[in-house]
Amino acid sequence: SQQGEEDPQALSIQEGENATMNCSYKTSINNLQWYRQNSGRGLVHLILIRSNEREKHSGRLRVTLDTSKKSSSLLITASRAADTASYFCATDSNQAGTALIFGKGTTLSVSS
Amino acid sequence: DSGVTQTPKHLITATGQRVTLRCSPRSGDLSVYWYQQSLDQGLQFLIQYYNGEERAKGNILERFSAQQFPDLHSELNLSSLELGDSALYFCASSVGREANYGYTFGSGTRLTVV
Repeated sequence: SQQGEEDPQALSIQEGENATMNCSYKTSINNLQWYRQNSGRGLVHLILIRSNEREKHSGRLRVTLDTSKKSSSLLITASRAADTASYFCATDSNQAGTALIFGKGTTLSVSS
Repeated sequence: DSGVTQTPKHLITATGQRVTLRCSPRSGDLSVYWYQQSLDQGLQFLIQYYNGEERAKGNILERFSAQQFPDLHSELNLSSLELGDSALYFCASSVGREANYGYTFGSGTRLTVV
């Protein structure tokens, strides 16, 4: 089954720096979504970008999508300690009757 | 509070036993999804129900089954439990039947099989 693969697996930065995470996927999609998970908690939906969109912003988040390369990136600007979490990309499929498939995530650690 | 309620939060049981996990979706959402999260497998999609009917199936074992009731709450039944079934089980809900809206996740049920 198709799956997003995030890169890097782990990222450590200082407060105020930008964090960039990448996601690659295998087959055609209708949309790609990013989620955040604080340790042991439920996932929280951050942003959805459709296959006909190239860039989307939400607060300090910027997501890009390159369907020709089957890749997406999530940029968090001016990171805060509270951004420490795991970040997952999730892809659907342009086939009916499928659910979101999640990658294994990038663990972001922001130190003050 | 995300609006998706999962019970119980923690469950410890012995191998060979059967357990039922419960999920109430966010008000207005018709789809319920079950996911299993473990360290080695990541977040695995198990099954989706939409308005009471099975919509999509993922890597769900034959020992596992689920259903969605007329009030839209869902239950995931895990039987003949093995040590390897120890994981976090998440329920998520969304308004539509396709994966073109964001999902709202519950806080999960942590299952420990001893």
